[in-house]
Amino acid sequence: DQQVKQNSPSLSVQEGRISILNCDYTNSMFDYFLWYKKYPAEGPTFLISISSIKDKNEDGRFTVFLNKSAKHLSLHIVPSQPGDSAVYFCAGGRAAGNKLTFGGGTRVLVKP
Amino acid sequence: DAGITQSPRHKVTETGTPVTLRCHQTENHRYMYWYRQDPGHGLRLIHYSYGVKDTDKGEVSDGYSVSRSKTEDFLLTLESATSSQTSVYFCAISEPPDRAGANVLTFGAGSRLTVL
Repeated sequence: DQQVKQNSPSLSVQEGRISILNCDYTNSMFDYFLWYKKYPAEGPTFLISISSIKDKNEDGRFTVFLNKSAKHLSLHIVPSQPGDSAVYFCAGGRAAGNKLTFGGGTRVLVKP
Repeated sequence: DAGITQSPRHKVTETGTPVTLRCHQTENHRYMYWYRQDPGHGLRLIHYSYGVKDTDKGEVSDGYSVSRSKTEDFLLTLESATSSQTSVYFCAISEPPDRAGANVLTFGAGSRLTVL
């Protein structure tokens, strides 16, 4: 039972355009969500988070949107840069616990 | 890597042999985790620890055991490795939640294990 799903395994976008990564979840008990970025042969690194009581959080070129009624979140990267080429994971967590549940990841390729 | 060292970084072993992966942190963080990454499955939690000698199972704990005798070290043991345990293993650490209430995990660089 996958509680967090990223239905698009890959995404290709032109440099300077917007990248939109999607994530769906089934566990309505999640209190927050995070996005991680992963380069080959490295560990995932934290990008941005959002509380379940918010619908948007912005940090530079990265914006995360949360639609609780649809159990859906998305990460927007504007403008996309070649260095953004990586695998992106979304994850959900509960405030009462300390574990994260991750989606399967989306590989992003930004073409120069 | 924020003071997290995983060893070995690469290991090839044979089915049935025991394997131990080590995670060492210099951040004095209370929580430590072991995840595995497999194509299509993302990162799945194997075991985690919320203090010395305090550990608990994650979603894919079968075939794995852990130990934490010191704050800085978290060991993952495969008692008898199987081919299905071929994976990349990531250790992570965390402290209390940030301002958004999120428990942000910091990951090590990973240990690639191949079981033949």
